[in-house]
Amino acid sequence: DQQVKQNSPSLSVQEGRISILNCDYTNSMFDYFLWYKKYPAEGPTFLISISSIKDKNEDGRFTVFLNKSAKHLSLHIVPSQPGDSAVYFCAASDGNAGNMLTFGGGTRLMVKP
Amino acid sequence: EAGVTQFPSHSVIEKGQTVTLRCDPISGHDNLYWYRRVMGKEIKFLLHFVKESKQDESGMPNNRFLAERTGGTYSTLKVQPAELEDSGVYFCASSQAGLAPAGELFFGEGSRLTVL
Repeated sequence: DQQVKQNSPSLSVQEGRISILNCDYTNSMFDYFLWYKKYPAEGPTFLISISSIKDKNEDGRFTVFLNKSAKHLSLHIVPSQPGDSAVYFCAASDGNAGNMLTFGGGTRLMVKP
Repeated sequence: EAGVTQFPSHSVIEKGQTVTLRCDPISGHDNLYWYRRVMGKEIKFLLHFVKESKQDESGMPNNRFLAERTGGTYSTLKVQPAELEDSGVYFCASSQAGLAPAGELFFGEGSRLTVL
């Protein structure tokens, strides 16, 4: 029973365009959401996060949107760059469980030059 | 500052053998986590140490898996005896309680386990 789902296993985008990665969750106890980026043969690295009290958080080219009523969040990358090509994992945290993260299955983003 | 380091990077063993994975967290990080990614699927939680104590081991698949963190520094994850379905990438992560944003973990590069 996956509590965090990323329904698109892969996404291909042209350089300079916007990349939109989506994530859905089922557990209403989640109060903190994160996106991690993973290159081959490396561990996931933190990218951006959002608290459940917000609906948007922006950091440079990366923006995360949270729609609590729909239990949906998305990561927007604009403009997309070839170096953004990686697997992106959505993760969620339940404050009651400390820092334990529940991950989605990941979306492989390919940005074509 | 050194990041989270894991050893070995890749281990190939036969079914029934034993493997021990090691994780050195970032110095001073009290929280240490083990996660596993099997067959390119989601990264699944295994267990969480706070210093040397097991805070949550609800993700450990069965009693063939044993994790320790003696002295609250490095941690080991032993699989004995290994089965085919144990193949995957085992990630270790750490965080310094109370300072990092809630949920932000620092991951190691992972130890890839292949059971033949």
